[in-house]
Amino acid sequence: SQQGEEDPQALSIQEGENATMNCSYKTSINNLQWYRQNSGRGLVHLILIRSNEREKHSGRLRVTLDTSKKSSSLLITASRAADTASYFCATDPAGNMLTFGGGTRLMVKP
Amino acid sequence: EAGVAQSPRYKIIEKRQSVAFWCNPISGHATLYWYQQILGQGPKLLIQFQNNGVVDDSQLPKDRFSAERLKGVDSTLKIQPAKLEDSAVYLCASSLDLSGAGEQYFGPGTRLTVT
Repeated sequence: SQQGEEDPQALSIQEGENATMNCSYKTSINNLQWYRQNSGRGLVHLILIRSNEREKHSGRLRVTLDTSKKSSSLLITASRAADTASYFCATDPAGNMLTFGGGTRLMVKP
Repeated sequence: EAGVAQSPRYKIIEKRQSVAFWCNPISGHATLYWYQQILGQGPKLLIQFQNNGVVDDSQLPKDRFSAERLKGVDSTLKIQPAKLEDSAVYLCASSLDLSGAGEQYFGPGTRLTVT
């Protein structure tokens, strides 16, 4: 089974609403990353949060990490139609490679 | 800065045929990765190179898949012979990070269809 699992698998919201997706993982990590994938730009790195960090911001993105619960969340505020994409969390269980989850498919309706 | 380049973008072959994919990483990136992404799933690492040496190929089906990175720059991934279940997008990525756990930059991918 995959190291990271995103929840929900699919999410549909209206433009302007916030979107929250979660990632749970099984083993200890050094860092956790979030990536976005859409047909236009492929797979793009969004944010990296280290195991000793609890929260990180980048523009409209807010990522939290709870190592005690082995979980992370990605919040996109004031969503736009252009945010429509699949979002993946990636962890480094062995410290030397990334393992991706199955992704959350986000649809933002105009 | 030029991104990760891959070719071809699309390939359709019959089962038991062979196919090769090419990747040119971002200049100066020592670490190169090949991922397989089956429709509806996340990318799965096949092989990781640091310069021209293999760091991890534990998930590479070595009976049919091979990869090389001559001179520590470009890389090719080959499948011979292909099976129906090899239908997927093959993504190449590169990174400055030598650990394999840092930010990675992905190419557009090659969509392989095996019929």
